[in-house]
Amino acid sequence: AQKITQTQPGMFVQEKEAVTLDCTYDTSDPSYGLFWYKQPSSGEMIFLIYQGSYDQQNATEGRYSLNFQKARKSANLVISASQLGDSAMYFCAMRGHSFGNEKLTFGTGTRLTIIP
Amino acid sequence: GAVVSQHPSRVICKSGTSVKIECRSLDFQATTMFWYRQFPKKSLMLMATSNEGSKATYEQGVEKDKFLINHASLTLSTLTVTSAHPEDSSFYICSARGGRSGENYGYTFGSGTRLTVV
Repeated sequence: AQKITQTQPGMFVQEKEAVTLDCTYDTSDPSYGLFWYKQPSSGEMIFLIYQGSYDQQNATEGRYSLNFQKARKSANLVISASQLGDSAMYFCAMRGHSFGNEKLTFGTGTRLTIIP
Repeated sequence: GAVVSQHPSRVICKSGTSVKIECRSLDFQATTMFWYRQFPKKSLMLMATSNEGSKATYEQGVEKDKFLINHASLTLSTLTVTSAHPEDSSFYICSARGGRSGENYGYTFGSGTRLTVV
């Protein structure tokens, strides 16, 4: 079974500051993938970044980076130079790579509010 | 890029009626479709997984007779909420597996359907 834990229900951050959204996970799969999605009020799920469990380097995508600490089973999302448009719900998710375990399991999310 | 078109985006229906939600992959073949339900300010809960041409696999606690899923082709999957009741009001969103290798790392979401049963 897979489990994702996001312990920050809400965060308020000043514009232009960096923000870290926490995510810890648990799985019995030796190989897995970790995702972060942004969900604005419109409801669509916007893919932000992906980290494979065997990737040697932490993933980066523009202002997004993933702080992957495998031994601690954490995959925190770091957003640099936050913008007002970053205000949204953020979900951490994982998938296993074993047969029949392709579904994404989501955390409970963090509501990020950027303050001007 | 890979796109999944989900319709309708919003629907209001009367209690006791049925509602069909469609998800179409526009430029790729969706071998697997995942259907999620999301309550306000909550996470996405997987309802069922469907593979083209076979019966859907439902998650524990999801009524398969109430939430009918059909995946008749590689580009179309539908979720029908039968005999809808107010407690079925929710946000439903699909996610397709398939598409070009590496795009979205294999998962493309529809834009979601907000269902309100009155």
